[in-house]
Amino acid sequence: GEDVEQSLFLSVREGDSSVINCTYTDSSSTYLYWYKQEPGAGLQLLTYIFSNMDMKQDQRLTVLLNKKDKHLSLRIADTQTGDSAIYFCAENRSGTYKYIFGTGTRLKVLA
Amino acid sequence: DVKVTQSSRYLVKRTGEKVFLECVQDMDHENMFWYRQDPGLGLRLIYFSYDVKMKEKGDIPEGYSVSREKKERFSLILESASTNQTSMYLCASSLRGLGESGELFFGEGSRLTVL
Repeated sequence: GEDVEQSLFLSVREGDSSVINCTYTDSSSTYLYWYKQEPGAGLQLLTYIFSNMDMKQDQRLTVLLNKKDKHLSLRIADTQTGDSAIYFCAENRSGTYKYIFGTGTRLKVLA
Repeated sequence: DVKVTQSSRYLVKRTGEKVFLECVQDMDHENMFWYRQDPGLGLRLIYFSYDVKMKEKGDIPEGYSVSREKKERFSLILESASTNQTSMYLCASSLRGLGESGELFFGEGSRLTVL
């Protein structure tokens, strides 16, 4: 189907790792993205991965891509209260301007 | 600092009113987008534009129109607002060429309430 699926909520304790999962739809998607939305704000790009990669690491963030299962995950190490936000995964269909966004996962970090 | 600016953060309108949502970007991007965001539904594309005076329908264009007279400005128009158009509206822009990641730059959003 057309839906990019994410769980709606995740709650973790400060200092723990968070893992946010996403199942996307189009195996030909060129780029896959993670965006962060803080309260009352627009979305900001956190990181992205090109479809020929399996993993990308950027400081506390690790992105894993399993193309066979169309599964994308975002791991945040040493989660802080400032990481509390909504996280959206998105895919970009090859050769198009079309981006498909997931429903967003609301991450709550408990002190 | 790159910027996408949406002119109104909060609007309250009555059913049947005409509503204009304005978006300006200062990055010389070719592509501009309007999305609406609703809880549990994520972001849904209303319209996008890949050049001045060019526009294409997204997934939910019904009840909306757009205008792109200048490269930096993309307007969303609700000809006759209805209560089911109460939502958060997000404008975005991107630069897309060979080797570009296609990152979308978002404005802060316009929360519209239709009574």
